[in-house]
Amino acid sequence: SQTIHQWPATLVQPVGSPLSLECTVEGTSNPNLYWYRQAAGRGLQLLFYSVGIGQISSEVPQNLSASRPQDRQFILSSKKLLLSDSGFYLCAWSGAVGEAFFGQGTRLTVV
Amino acid sequence: GQQLNQSPQSMFIQEGEDVSMNCTSSSIFNTWLWYKQEPGEGPVLLIALYKAGELTSNGRLTAQFGITRKDSFLNISASIPSDVGIYFCAGFTGTASKLTFGTGTRLQVTL
Repeated sequence: SQTIHQWPATLVQPVGSPLSLECTVEGTSNPNLYWYRQAAGRGLQLLFYSVGIGQISSEVPQNLSASRPQDRQFILSSKKLLLSDSGFYLCAWSGAVGEAFFGQGTRLTVV
Repeated sequence: GQQLNQSPQSMFIQEGEDVSMNCTSSSIFNTWLWYKQEPGEGPVLLIALYKAGELTSNGRLTAQFGITRKDSFLNISASIPSDVGIYFCAGFTGTASKLTFGTGTRLQVTL
């Protein structure tokens, strides 16, 4: 069966520090991969999605970037965090018809 | 970009009541999905719809894929306390492999 791992679960980082969140999927090949951000009490904002290695689509111009160095690995990065980058970050994978499955999320607090 | 308008934003109902929520889009989707999210966790897939007009049930949950492919609704019958959470619709565009979420409906169930 397919599983998705996302870490860390919580993270407190100072303003201006770098960020790297990692997401890996097991049990499937060539998944679509997604990064979402969720502010407290709000909906899911699509940040990046990828249909294959090295293929990244960005939805919102911002302080973040994404990379897909391997088929089942998706990384969210920032060179310098801003206070507004705080939120709940969710990684998800889907197959060809769109059913997406989520990781447990990373709660990022920038201080 | 694509926008999914979900209504109502929140609902306060009594245990045993039926619930109905819906999602409308400015563009068509190939797949409609409904998710439930509980605090601090990633969304969990409830129902997936693949064809216009399709009506699908999962226990007390029933969802339909609108004929125009621009809308979907979710009904929950005989609500119980564990139905509490935030419900999201999501639309999948097959050509771009993009998964967009609605704004969410927060459901509270009172005894």
